[in-house]
Amino acid sequence: EVQLVESGGGLVQPGGSLRLSCSASGFTFNNFAMHWVRQAPGKGLEYLSAVSITGGSTYYADSVKGRFTISRDNSKNTLYLQMRSLRPADAAVYYCVKDVGGSDSHWGQGTLVTVSS
Amino acid sequence: QSALTQTASVSGSPGQSLTISCTGTSSDVGSYDLVSWYQQHPGKAPKLMIYEVSKRPSGVSNRFSGSKSGNTASLTIYGLQAEDEADYYCCSYAGSSTPYVFGTGTKVTVL
Repeated sequence: EVQLVESGGGLVQPGGSLRLSCSASGFTFNNFAMHWVRQAPGKGLEYLSAVSITGGSTYYADSVKGRFTISRDNSKNTLYLQMRSLRPADAAVYYCVKDVGGSDSHWGQGTLVTVSS
Repeated sequence: QSALTQTASVSGSPGQSLTISCTGTSSDVGSYDLVSWYQQHPGKAPKLMIYEVSKRPSGVSNRFSGSKSGNTASLTIYGLQAEDEADYYCCSYAGSSTPYVFGTGTKVTVL
């Protein structure tokens, strides 16, 4: 059974940093690109970032480009999202996703990030 | 990349059918048969209901059907049931420079 478990969310002040982690199991992690999607309270889904199988290729939405860094450790079956210079607008539930839009799409339960002073 | 456009809310009575539309552009929905639909209940993670425009994952009811015409994709729910009340999001592949884009979301209410 595919499992994606996010962690690392919490309360952070504006301008602060957080690192989210996503522990994957139940599939061959290093065979799949991985993604982060977020959802602000009461809002829709926003496609945020992606990393290739090897980690050598990445994508960022304009809203986080230059502030967030996606990475992966295939030896640990773990996906990361390093978030810096956080803003109130970054407050959201962050989901780790395998296979966005594909036949075997799986989402984690999400981790909540709150940005407030 | 702008979000795909969906009607904010739709409603129907149990047993009825309803259709949700998702309008994109020739750069996303119109270019690729890679439209998917997600169902999200409050406080839960999205669940895949349709992929590649019209295919259903194993375990998803055949009451859910997807289609596409030009730059607009559609999700039809047949025989509406109380458990179908949720938010629905479309998603389209949009090319290598902007891999995916989501729709604005549609709240389905079962009267």
